[in-house]
Amino acid sequence: DIVMTQSPDSLAVSLGERATINCKSSQSVFSSSSNKNYLAWYQQKPGQPPQLLIYWASTRESGVPDRFSGSGSGTDFTLTISSLQAEDVAVYYCQQYEGTPWTFGQGTKVEIK
Amino acid sequence: QVQLQESGPGLVKPSQTLSLTCSVSGGSISGALYYWSWIRQRAGKGLEWIGRFYTGGSTNYNPSLKSRVAISLDTSKNQCSLKLSFVTAADTAVYYCARGRQLDPYFDHWGPGTLVTVSS
Repeated sequence: DIVMTQSPDSLAVSLGERATINCKSSQSVFSSSSNKNYLAWYQQKPGQPPQLLIYWASTRESGVPDRFSGSGSGTDFTLTISSLQAEDVAVYYCQQYEGTPWTFGQGTKVEIK
Repeated sequence: QVQLQESGPGLVKPSQTLSLTCSVSGGSISGALYYWSWIRQRAGKGLEWIGRFYTGGSTNYNPSLKSRVAISLDTSKNQCSLKLSFVTAADTAVYYCARGRQLDPYFDHWGPGTLVTVSS
């Protein structure tokens, strides 16, 4: 199985400041045949299902604010919230879909400082 | 807009079989090459992929659950089903169904989830 490890487990950021979440995979999730990283990011608010934010490591889902961005390749990835808003308080998960079983990171809880 | 809705018993006894259904509206469950997955989340924990049904003609399960899981499609009812046998308290979780596509297998649509408690 590909193990996904996120850091930190939680972080508190002031409103309007940058939040950065890291995700590391135990093996590369880059496919040379498609030239794509099989990595997605999801946001989960309490009592709700996860919601897709980013796919192919850096493509923003339709309707997702542009303060959310994804970067990285191979085994190291980052989700950045450029200017934290109150509605961004949530748990964020990375997920690899390069090989089954598809696996998720343990989650990073983002709070307001 | 595609919508997914999980349903099934909220309480299952230990050693019995958990059976859930995901009803899909706003589109055909087999109208294209889709992955229909089940994912669960234990209380206060992360997300665990259980398995998927690929409309192209295959199923894949998480090895950790493979001996107990079956996922199927009922195209006449536009539903995807999950069966998990010999459940224990460790199977208590919120169960989600989610959709991916052949060339875009990430989960772009999720159901709201349903809580299943395993208890006598």
